[in-house]
Amino acid sequence: NAGVTQTPKFQVLKTGQSMTLQCAQDMNHEYMSWYRQDPGMGLRLIHYSVGAGITDQGEVPNGYNVSRSTTEDFPLRLLSAAPSQTSVYFCASTRSGSRGSTANYGYTFGSGTRLTVV
Amino acid sequence: GDSVTQMEGPVTLSEEAFLTINCTYTATGYPSLFWYVQYPGEGLQLLLKATKADDKGSNKGFEATYRKETTSFHLEKGSVQVSDSAVYFCALMGYNTDKLIFGTGTRLQVFP
Repeated sequence: NAGVTQTPKFQVLKTGQSMTLQCAQDMNHEYMSWYRQDPGMGLRLIHYSVGAGITDQGEVPNGYNVSRSTTEDFPLRLLSAAPSQTSVYFCASTRSGSRGSTANYGYTFGSGTRLTVV
Repeated sequence: GDSVTQMEGPVTLSEEAFLTINCTYTATGYPSLFWYVQYPGEGLQLLLKATKADDKGSNKGFEATYRKETTSFHLEKGSVQVSDSAVYFCALMGYNTDKLIFGTGTRLQVFP
């Protein structure tokens, strides 16, 4: 059971380049999300998805796109990278609870992607 | 909106010392509360959780009690070990929402 797999682990981009951060889970979790982690700011939600075909914006969505064509995969796209997007990115997933809430289940996190934009 | 406030770190302790990391929250209704731990170079792992007032979450010697009257969820451990050195995040999830809101994290450093 691999859990949540993120690739790549490290990436350096030039300003203006595009790339896709991959996230895959093998636990049949309905809910998936992307966070960025910056010093002194904790984790901030970028985008999330409650199931295949459904995505929504989080706290800091600008500059990022997502799609959810399958239950397993939730890629994060940077269309035109900027130095402000230098960060550590985490993908997380969880199953939905009986009330439509994930309160009774913990999130499973990937090991992260460290992105540097120069 | 909902938010979580944690004490700033780093918290520096000697092995076998008592640990408290403060966490308070602002939320409407009845959120669920969590503590996550991040070891160096790794992702976050769920440490413990509490889903209603007066619940106590516990795991690996760590405990936290959901106090609605003080809107707090402080993390405690009676005797820390060097292996507990990590960053600890307090988080909340509002009722009937899937979003997890994190505090800024508190770095714990334990020395032998």
